Amino acid sequence: NAGVTQTPKFQVLKTGQSMTLQCAQDMNHNSMYWYRQDPGMGLRLIYYSASEGTTDKGEVPNGYNVSRLNKREFSLRLESAAPSQTSVYFCASTSGQGAAYGYTFGSGTRLTVV
Amino acid sequence: DQQVKQNSPSLSVQEGRISILNCDYTNSMFDYFLWYKKYPAEGPTFLISISSIKDKNEDGRFTVFLNKSAKHLSLHIVPSQPGDSAVYFCAASANTNAGKSTFGDGTTLTVKP
Repeated sequence: NAGVTQTPKFQVLKTGQSMTLQCAQDMNHNSMYWYRQDPGMGLRLIYYSASEGTTDKGEVPNGYNVSRLNKREFSLRLESAAPSQTSVYFCASTSGQGAAYGYTFGSGTRLTVV
Repeated sequence: DQQVKQNSPSLSVQEGRISILNCDYTNSMFDYFLWYKKYPAEGPTFLISISSIKDKNEDGRFTVFLNKSAKHLSLHIVPSQPGDSAVYFCAASANTNAGKSTFGDGTTLTVKP
């Protein structure tokens, strides 16, 4: 099915380890986003890419880096994981034609840092 | 300061009755408001949106109402069904900010058979 694919679905890291969360969409969407969701809270924007070749910080970018590899793929990297980064991470995309169209989300990556 | 607030963490309604989920916002620059539905272990799914130039948008059993003067919106689900049981997120966006959305903390809706 067309949509947003995230890998891995689950990951346990030790403090200080690094990892990259992968995201790919096959809907030819221009804009892609990384959000995190902590228990009992809404989604907070980490980084976004309004179009291929551009990336910008969101609300909570500290401790993360991103790469918009091409129009399809947008990866999120944790260089040195900390327990505060334990969360569920969602990648999303939208056509970029306007804020009304809503996002298509991936199914999430559940990350635990011990 | 939280720009989008959903003050009710949970709501329980009987099957067939109306569910009303509420959302308040503070930023006057928002010009689109969206509702998402989320089941456990899945990503959120876009439900319905409304432009700030409208006061109502309807899609089947789902209707969103916007009161700009009060900076308040609500999602009505009529009739409610057990399959509607999920977490509902309100989000707000502005065309000037690259489509970024600000989300509320969510309301867990339980529809009892």
